[in-house]
Amino acid sequence: SQELEQSPQSLIVQEGKNLTINCTSSKTLYGLYWYKQKYGEGLIFLMMLQKGGEEKSHEKITAKLDEKKQQSSLHITASQPSHAGIYLCGISGAGSYQLTFGKGTKLSVIP
Amino acid sequence: DAGITQSPRHKVTETGTPVTLRCHQTENHRYMYWYRQDPGHGLRLIHYSYGVKDTDKGEVSDGYSVSRSKTEDFLLTLESATSSQTSVYFCATISPRQGPYGYTFGSGTRLTVV
Repeated sequence: SQELEQSPQSLIVQEGKNLTINCTSSKTLYGLYWYKQKYGEGLIFLMMLQKGGEEKSHEKITAKLDEKKQQSSLHITASQPSHAGIYLCGISGAGSYQLTFGKGTKLSVIP
Repeated sequence: DAGITQSPRHKVTETGTPVTLRCHQTENHRYMYWYRQDPGHGLRLIHYSYGVKDTDKGEVSDGYSVSRSKTEDFLLTLESATSSQTSVYFCATISPRQGPYGYTFGSGTRLTVV
């Protein structure tokens, strides 16, 4: 089974709408990272969560970590076309210097 | 950012030929990684390095080799390219400003094997 599940796989929203992307791990979380990838480009770091209940924001993007559920949610408020892209979550394991990534969520924002 | 440069950005090669992709970083980071990105699979680790001449295999290392003779350069070689290696390849280093194990990525190399 997949170590890191992202849902939904793809999402199409109207500009101005809110949306949520989830990332669930089957293993203990020691750190969870969110990245955004614009089509055909590299990955850009958004934020990192480490502690249960932690919440961080980057412009109109907010991410929360639920340690008990081993899950993080990424919430975008009042989406804009600039939010379109692929969102990936990655996790680090105990004593590991490697990140394992989910398959990504493809977000399209219709003007 | 870590100043990571990948070259080439795009390459088309024939089946059976060797191909080398280069990753160059300017901030003396110890750890470097090669991932491939494919639809339906996300990012998968090919090889990584934890220092000069210190490398190890990742999840999908078959058919690939790496070398790191200098801190700043991490080379990925496809020994005999196959169509299944058509992919987008990303190099990354650990960037402490992003958290303990956060990565900074290069812009990627799009490789097509025909």
